[in-house]
Amino acid sequence: GQQVQQSPASLVLQEGENAELQCNFSSTATRLQWFYQHPGGRLVSLFYNPSGTKHTGRLTSTTVTNERRSSLHISSSQTTDSGTYFCAIDTNTGKLTFGDGTVLTVKP
Amino acid sequence: EAGVTQSPRYAVLQEGQAVSFWCDPISGHDTLYWYQQPRDQGPQLLVYFRDEAVIDNSQLPSDRFSAVRPKGTNSTLKIQSAKQGDTATYLCASSFYSGGGAEQFFGPGTRLTVL
Repeated sequence: GQQVQQSPASLVLQEGENAELQCNFSSTATRLQWFYQHPGGRLVSLFYNPSGTKHTGRLTSTTVTNERRSSLHISSSQTTDSGTYFCAIDTNTGKLTFGDGTVLTVKP
Repeated sequence: EAGVTQSPRYAVLQEGQAVSFWCDPISGHDTLYWYQQPRDQGPQLLVYFRDEAVIDNSQLPSDRFSAVRPKGTNSTLKIQSAKQGDTATYLCASSFYSGGGAEQFFGPGTRLTVL
C-alpha cells in the first residue's frame, strides 16, 4: 500500500479561512518534511519535523510519530498560499517518499 | 548562499532522442538526489549519491537512464532514448548527511516533454 497518504486531495478556501492538511504514513518515520510547490515552481521546504510542533508565521506543523501522522495548519489563508503541499517521509533509508499532495486554492 | 541550481529549465524532445540534465548542489552538501515528478503527482526518487558513490539507484530505469557524480559535487542525469512516458519534471535535491537524516533542498527542476 501507499506509504504516505495525504488528505484532502484538494481544498478550496475563501481568503481568511484556516486550512488543515493531513498526512498519514505507514512506516515509522525518522524524518518528515512538509513542502510547498507553486504551479511550475520548485519545492520549498516548510518544515523539517520528525516529531512535535513547529511554527513559522501563519504555518504550524504537528507530527505525532508513534501515531504515524502529521498535520499542517495554515491560519488566515491568503491567495498567495495557493499551490500544492506535499508531505514526505524517510524511514531511515536516506531517501524521501512523497505523498501525492494537497492542492490548495484560496479565492479572494 | 546559492541554492540548488539545475539546467536546462525546459527540454522538448522527439521519442528516441537523448537528453542530459545538470545539477549543482548547495556548497558543502555531500548527498545529492534525483527525483522524477510526473504531472499531478509527488516526486519519486530515481537515484542518490553520497559524495561520488551511488547509494541507491534501484528506481532508475537502467536500460535508458544513467546518472553520475564524478567529483562528488555536480551531477548529470542522462536519458539515452527518451519515451513519451518520460515526460515529467526532473528535480535535483541536496542535503548534508548527519547520521539520522537531513533536510533536503530542491532545485527548480527541468521540465521534460517527449513528443
